[in-house]
Amino acid sequence: GDSVTQMEGPVTLSEEAFLTINCTYTATGYPSLFWYVQYPGEGLQLLLKATKADDKGSNKGFEATYRKETTSFHLEKGSVQVSDSAVYFCALTYNQGGKLIFGQGTELSVKP
Amino acid sequence: DTGVSQDPRHKITKRGQNVTFRCDPISEHNRLYWYRQTLGQGPEFLTYFQNEAQLEKSRLLSDRFSAERPKGSFSTLEIQRTEQGDSAMYLCASSSQGDSGNTIYFGEGSWLTVV
Repeated sequence: GDSVTQMEGPVTLSEEAFLTINCTYTATGYPSLFWYVQYPGEGLQLLLKATKADDKGSNKGFEATYRKETTSFHLEKGSVQVSDSAVYFCALTYNQGGKLIFGQGTELSVKP
Repeated sequence: DTGVSQDPRHKITKRGQNVTFRCDPISEHNRLYWYRQTLGQGPEFLTYFQNEAQLEKSRLLSDRFSAERPKGSFSTLEIQRTEQGDSAMYLCASSSQGDSGNTIYFGEGSWLTVV
């Protein structure tokens, strides 16, 4: 079945450091891929998405490229801020409908 | 576009009582999803509607849980005879069949504490 695997956290970085959170997926079809962010006590916010191979999603300095050949969708940011501290979820779904399948989440903590 | 809204945001109930959560999706969205999330875990899928039809239910949705979407607009999630293990955040989400990427938007969640 379909699944998403993320690197384990927590990830602790200093402010202005480079961030990579790895995400790989297994899919039977051609899914859309997403990154969601969750701040403490809140719901999930859509961070970025890519709907087909080689698409790059970007938002608020974060980027991820849909790599079909490596079945990956790694999240990157060049310079993290304390306000980026949150839990990040990688997920996939299909455009014809159906549920989101989530990775286990990666907690990011950015220290000043 | 007011986003996905959920009510109530917080609910404390005694074990054995029934609780109901309401979700209003983004107005033009015909797909609606319910998830459950416990502390430190990722969201777990519960059920999914397209219009008023419930197309998929997780095994997590025991017979104490029921979800409805009677007119294809808002949805309710009812938990009967609550147990302490039901304490979690219940997340509602929606998407549009017309969106080729099926982008799914979440509400702020409804926290349930069973005491």
